[in-house]
Amino acid sequence: EDQVTQSPEALRLQEGESSSLNCSYTVSGLRGLFWYRQDPGKGPEFLFTLYSAGEEKEKERLKATLTKKESFLHITAPKPEDSATYLCAVQGYSGGGADGLTFGKGTHLIIQP
Amino acid sequence: DTEVTQTPKHLVMGMTNKKSLKCEQHMGHRAMYWYKQKAKKPPELMFVYSYEKLSINESVPSRFSPECPNSSLLNLHLHALQPEDSALYLCASSQDPFLEQYFGPGTRLTVT
Repeated sequence: EDQVTQSPEALRLQEGESSSLNCSYTVSGLRGLFWYRQDPGKGPEFLFTLYSAGEEKEKERLKATLTKKESFLHITAPKPEDSATYLCAVQGYSGGGADGLTFGKGTHLIIQP
Repeated sequence: DTEVTQTPKHLVMGMTNKKSLKCEQHMGHRAMYWYKQKAKKPPELMFVYSYEKLSINESVPSRFSPECPNSSLLNLHLHALQPEDSALYLCASSQDPFLEQYFGPGTRLTVT
């Protein structure tokens, strides 16, 4: 069974204070690791896909990295509008059938002005 | 364009009602999904349609019945729901079953 653990559960930063969110995962074989951002009452917004260890993706103030056991979402000089819940999800090999995503519980990020 | 639309945005129904949730995408995606999300919890997979065929049913109660009329549409038929079924129901689609999924805004369902 695929498992995803995110830490910390909540993080409060000052505007401009950089930090990292962690996502540890256990899968039988990793097809892909996905990062999403979710605002209250809305659907998750896709950010990044990572497929293999060593891969990195960047978008504005966000950078995602992947190792064989975990992924990090680095936030550089965050702004209040970066406040959201950040979800990590994995998709593993399951014998050839189409799969949904297994999500972690998320990190609730608050950026204070 | 990565838009997935869902209707209605909000739905209140009694335990004896029958209602349907609708989801639509025009991105040519061939996989579509239903997720259920309770407050302060992550989304949980309910159903997967791949190339218009149901490929995963995560042991969801029979009071939830999915339907995929064509490659752009996905319905979730609801019947005899329980108050604990109140949640945000999310639809998602992906170009291929193993690529990133794009989510709709969700339907907020309240069962009274």
